[in-house]
Amino acid sequence: GQNIDQPTEMTATEGAIVQINCTYQTSGFNGLFWYQQHAGEAPTFLSYNVLDGLEEKGRFSSFLSRSKGYSYLLLKELQMKDSASYLCAVQSDSWGKFQFGAGTQVVVTP
Amino acid sequence: DGGITQSPKYLFRKEGQNVTLSCEQNLNHDAMYWYRQDPGQGLRLIYYSQIVNDFQKGDIAEGYSVSREKKESFPLTVTSAQKNPTAFYLCASSILSGNDGYTFGSGTRLTVV
Repeated sequence: GQNIDQPTEMTATEGAIVQINCTYQTSGFNGLFWYQQHAGEAPTFLSYNVLDGLEEKGRFSSFLSRSKGYSYLLLKELQMKDSASYLCAVQSDSWGKFQFGAGTQVVVTP
Repeated sequence: DGGITQSPKYLFRKEGQNVTLSCEQNLNHDAMYWYRQDPGQGLRLIYYSQIVNDFQKGDIAEGYSVSREKKESFPLTVTSAQKNPTAFYLCASSILSGNDGYTFGSGTRLTVV
């Protein structure tokens, strides 16, 4: 079956760094996405990895290792507004259908 | 500006009623999707459509129905056969390859009363 695992919750202090890990086992792989979701709102796109390595976008970076079925999202210089759920999603088919992890709730404390 | 609109934001359903959730997009996306989100669980795919007049069941299609009569619209009906419909429902759209990721609607929270 298909499986995407990420931690349920992480807590960090404002200004710190947090790394959210995601491991996946899927029947195919055509890309991995990270989304941010605030409570009661729609998920918003953060990053996309299809090749191994690190993608950096401002305070957010995402890493992918296809051979290990592993990705992480790195949030730097945490701000209170970063308190949200972070969803890992794998595109396992050649078109747009994604498989989502359960999400990691990040709590940023003062 | 292009986007995807879901309505209503909140919906209450009585036992035995069918209700329809609206999803409209003006992004010219070919593919549209309906997901259900429950606390502590990932988004689960209900139905998806790659082209007008065609749609496919996702992982949890039982008790739901959809139509895709227009490219812009993909309404979801929650039927009385769905025994546990209380959830947050998200509609999304994408280009066919999905390489640009999903654009999500703002969601509909359905509660059975």
